[in-house]
Amino acid sequence: DSGVTQTPKHLITATGQRVTLRCSPRSGDLSVYWYQQSLDQGLQFLIQYYNGEERAKGNILERFSAQQFPDLHSELNLSSLELGDSALYFCASSVNPTSNNEQFFGPGTRLTVL
Amino acid sequence: AQSVTQPDIHITVSEGASLELRCNYSYGATPYLFWYVQSPGQGLQLLLKYFSGDTLVQGIKGFEAEFKRSQSSFNLRKPSVHWSDAAEYFCAVGSSNTGKLIFGQGTTLQVKP
Repeated sequence: DSGVTQTPKHLITATGQRVTLRCSPRSGDLSVYWYQQSLDQGLQFLIQYYNGEERAKGNILERFSAQQFPDLHSELNLSSLELGDSALYFCASSVNPTSNNEQFFGPGTRLTVL
Repeated sequence: AQSVTQPDIHITVSEGASLELRCNYSYGATPYLFWYVQSPGQGLQLLLKYFSGDTLVQGIKGFEAEFKRSQSSFNLRKPSVHWSDAAEYFCAVGSSNTGKLIFGQGTTLQVKP
């Protein structure tokens, strides 16, 4: 158990819908990361927050947005869902915002868009 | 642009045999390098990391990796594989000013009895 929690574990929805994925970082970690894992794209970095502020952005679609709240939990919002958005979405956390800090990964949320 | 290549998509080894998983990276500066393991239905777990210093790094579960700057490689090794090592392995490179990790496509390890 990494100490990072993600809810829900599974999510099945239809095209055009909107969903919210939630992540609670490990106690004491200030930085949160979102990654998408799909069969065709592999494991891709989406976005990073540090202490409530956006720190880095990767290949995140405009239909996707995220935020980190004052209690440090984070939410990833996916809207106008398409079949290709079906993937495993991981959240990770670390104490500091740079790569020389170990990132601890949650178990992921599996999103299926029908 | 930063990138990571894992040339082997799938590797099968016999239990007790040695293992080497290849990783090549492209990065402008001195890279932060990582190996993660993902068991079926699980998240990623860090096996080991390289930031600087000794180019041979030891990790958990008996794994080690060697950083070779001249070859832009960071290959993962284990002298004797156990059936429980069957999983997917990811090499990643990190940025020095953010936590962004760029992952390779992964190598699936199958262990034969």
